[in-house]
Amino acid sequence: SQQGEEDPQALSIQEGENATMNCSYKTSINNLQWYRQNSGRGLVHLILIRSNEREKHSGRLRVTLDTSKKSSSLLITASRAADTASYFCATASAGSNYKLTFGKGTLLTVNP
Amino acid sequence: DTAVSQTPKYLVTQMGNDKSIKCEQNLGHDTMYWYKQDSKKFLKIMFSYNNKELIINETVPNRFSPKSPDKAHLNLHINSLELGDSAVYFCASSQEDRVRETQYFGPGTRLLVL
Repeated sequence: SQQGEEDPQALSIQEGENATMNCSYKTSINNLQWYRQNSGRGLVHLILIRSNEREKHSGRLRVTLDTSKKSSSLLITASRAADTASYFCATASAGSNYKLTFGKGTLLTVNP
Repeated sequence: DTAVSQTPKYLVTQMGNDKSIKCEQNLGHDTMYWYKQDSKKFLKIMFSYNNKELIINETVPNRFSPKSPDKAHLNLHINSLELGDSAVYFCASSQEDRVRETQYFGPGTRLLVL
């Protein structure tokens, strides 16, 4: 069954603007991860946040996690045309450490 | 020096045929996965192997049979292909035998069943 739900499904912004994507999930998690998929390519890991963490940064990426609301957000600051891709959240559920469950993704388009 | 590789990249075949997709990782990882991504980009896990042992087997038709000859390889054989099998199949691997760290994905195999 699907665990993560990204919101919005699609987002179009201008270069230099910030992009925020949200993810909601249903069950308790061990960690939550964000991946990027460029068109026609495989997924690339961006960042992992554990259930006992609230915020994490990596370069222009900022991820927050609110386990009480079962939600996470991914913020990309100062976006570039090269950030155009689909972004997926994936959850590793507590008690099911072998399995990642992916959401349907947010398609981000950054216009030059 | 590709980390996770899959062959073939594209596969076009007729309904009823049997086909295989191969995956190899040179990262020294213990765990490998097969995912299916449908036309709406929904990515769903199918199988996972840890040190050649099957540890995840989602509700997948038994026409799909994974085989792991060693921990660096995980192949997927599909019998009696159906139209609904058309999708992109991704192989992935991870460092430990628990999903606490990242998964590394291959480039995908685009399967089209006619």
